[in-house]
Amino acid sequence: GAVVSQHPSRVICKSGTSVKIECRSLDFQATTMFWYRQFPKQSLMLMATSNEGSKATYEQGVEKDKFLINHASLTLSTLTVTSAHPEDSSFYICSARDSEGNTYNSPLHFGNGTRLTVT
Amino acid sequence: AQKVTQAQTEISVVEKEDVTLDCVYETRDTTYYLFWYKQPPSGELVFLIRRNSFDEQNEISGRYSWNFQKSTSSFNFTITASQVVDSAVYFCALGGGWSGGFKTIFGAGTRLFVKA
Repeated sequence: GAVVSQHPSRVICKSGTSVKIECRSLDFQATTMFWYRQFPKQSLMLMATSNEGSKATYEQGVEKDKFLINHASLTLSTLTVTSAHPEDSSFYICSARDSEGNTYNSPLHFGNGTRLTVT
Repeated sequence: AQKVTQAQTEISVVEKEDVTLDCVYETRDTTYYLFWYKQPPSGELVFLIRRNSFDEQNEISGRYSWNFQKSTSSFNFTITASQVVDSAVYFCALGGGWSGGFKTIFGAGTRLFVKA
């Protein structure tokens, strides 16, 4: 089955620093990846849609300068949280649809998530 | 607008009990897809099922079954003879609709505790 690898699984950083999270599709190509954010005991909120070779599409209320997304290849998307602050502490999860469907009706395959703690 | 409502925040059952997780959705689209995902304590999300809006057949997979009722916009999930390993948060999701920009949106989730 489709496997999405996300790294790191946990990161602790100091306020003001930047953190990069990687999301890789291991056995399929993904022209589109999605980044979600999940607060404790809450649902997944879509932050942005990452498009290979073009700019990401951000959801309303998500600061594009704060959450930089790069989708440089068909198997890699990165999310960089710039100048992180304690309120950015959260669980970030990436996802992708496998290439066989790679359409809007295909199920999403998720990475294992990254728990970010900003001190 | 698209919306997914999981009214049950937490459910607690004793092992071997059957449990049903409710999901009600709203959409203007005629073509759309419904999903269930499981999030165990470890955090990863596991895909369980996809159902398209034109297929109202109920589905059974082992101890899991799903009841799709378009008339009531519901897509409920039943676990038969629950086990401790079923303890997790379960998310219902709606996707594939034009009016939602083909994005997948999630309900708030239902936290299921299965006690031995």
